[in-house]
Amino acid sequence: SQQGEEDPQALSIQEGENATMNCSYKTSINNLQWYRQNSGRGLVHLILIRSNEREKHSGRLRVTLDTSKKSSSLLITASRAADTASYFCATDDPPSARQLTFGSGTQLTVLP
Amino acid sequence: AAGVIQSPRHLIKEKRETATLKCYPIPRHDTVYWYQQGPGQDPQFLISFYEKMQSDKGSIPDRFSAQQFSDYHSELNMSSLELGDSALYFCASSSSDRTYEQYFGPGTRLTVT
Repeated sequence: SQQGEEDPQALSIQEGENATMNCSYKTSINNLQWYRQNSGRGLVHLILIRSNEREKHSGRLRVTLDTSKKSSSLLITASRAADTASYFCATDDPPSARQLTFGSGTQLTVLP
Repeated sequence: AAGVIQSPRHLIKEKRETATLKCYPIPRHDTVYWYQQGPGQDPQFLISFYEKMQSDKGSIPDRFSAQQFSDYHSELNMSSLELGDSALYFCASSSSDRTYEQYFGPGTRLTVT
């Protein structure tokens, strides 16, 4: 079953602008992660936020987690054309955490 | 650093044929996962193995089977292929104490004609 829903499904911005993508999920989680996928390629891990964390930063990435609303957001600041990709959130559910449940992804296009 | 290796990268099969996908995890990772991503879809968990035993099962069809070998590599066997099996198949690996930290391979693109 699909755990996460991504919002928006597609986002197009100009280089230098910020991009915000949202993800909602249904059940309790251990961790929430964001992945990036270039067209038809592998999944690259971007950042992980634990269920007891509210915000995390990594370079130009900022992730927030609101467990009361079962939602997360990924902010990419000062976007570049190379950021063009699909972005997925993925959750692992207690207790086993041995499988990731992916959201439907946001296709981000950064125009030069 | 060594990454997850998948082979082949591309595979074309006809309906009703059989396909075998291989996955070589990152060294010292003992847990392997398989995911299927259809065109325009999100990745869906199929099955996972820990120490050569099946640990979790997702939406894997009965026509598919998988196993993990003594060297921790894994194979996904797909029989009686259908057009709907055309997808990207990802393998991921992790250590058993950090199962949420899964490293994905580049995927095998299977096309069924």
